[in-house]
Amino acid sequence: DAKTTQPNSMESNEEEPVHLPCNHSTISGTDYIHWYRQLPSQGPEYVIHGLTSNVNNRMASLAIAEDRKSSTLILHRATLRDAAVYYCILSVSDKIIFGKGTRLHILP
Amino acid sequence: DTGVSQDPRHKITKRGQNVTFRCDPISEHNRLYWYRQTLGQGPEFLTYFQNEAQLEKSRLLSDRFSAERPKGSFSTLEIQRTEQGDSAMYLCASSFDLGGRDFGPGTRLTVT
Repeated sequence: DAKTTQPNSMESNEEEPVHLPCNHSTISGTDYIHWYRQLPSQGPEYVIHGLTSNVNNRMASLAIAEDRKSSTLILHRATLRDAAVYYCILSVSDKIIFGKGTRLHILP
Repeated sequence: DTGVSQDPRHKITKRGQNVTFRCDPISEHNRLYWYRQTLGQGPEFLTYFQNEAQLEKSRLLSDRFSAERPKGSFSTLEIQRTEQGDSAMYLCASSFDLGGRDFGPGTRLTVT
């Protein structure tokens, strides 16, 4: 299974942008890059996904490197409610394999 | 539609007992997934369905675990002869084809 590498934790100040990195050097041509987040005591929540081009939605932006070996999830203006574990995942067939993710702390 | 629902939210059982969990996906979603999550870890994939067909099972899913989705709508996950190592949060998710997965709140199982 293709793997991803993320920092264990990150901190950011409230109301500032956050850039969450993910390395996936063994990505295959058909793997989608998915991001989910999990708030405390809740199930994971879909954030965004993409294949090659950068993607934007109401929650975040996904910037994908040209060689697709890395990507960055961008939260444009972090709030305290964005404190969560963020998972970067490569789709393998139809299943999503979660790693340990990045725990994002937001400082008021 | 109120999203993916799971029942019960919490279950405490004694070792050796059987338990069954239910998941009701979003109605227009054709795919349904089961995951298990232990403290401090990301969710682990267990199995998934496309409509009523079970298409893949993880090697984590021992023969004590069985999942069904008889009419392509709700799904059940049964654990027979529970062990303490089965204590975890069991998460259900659904999607339409390869779209983003919507997760339910989970069923927390405690085996004593």
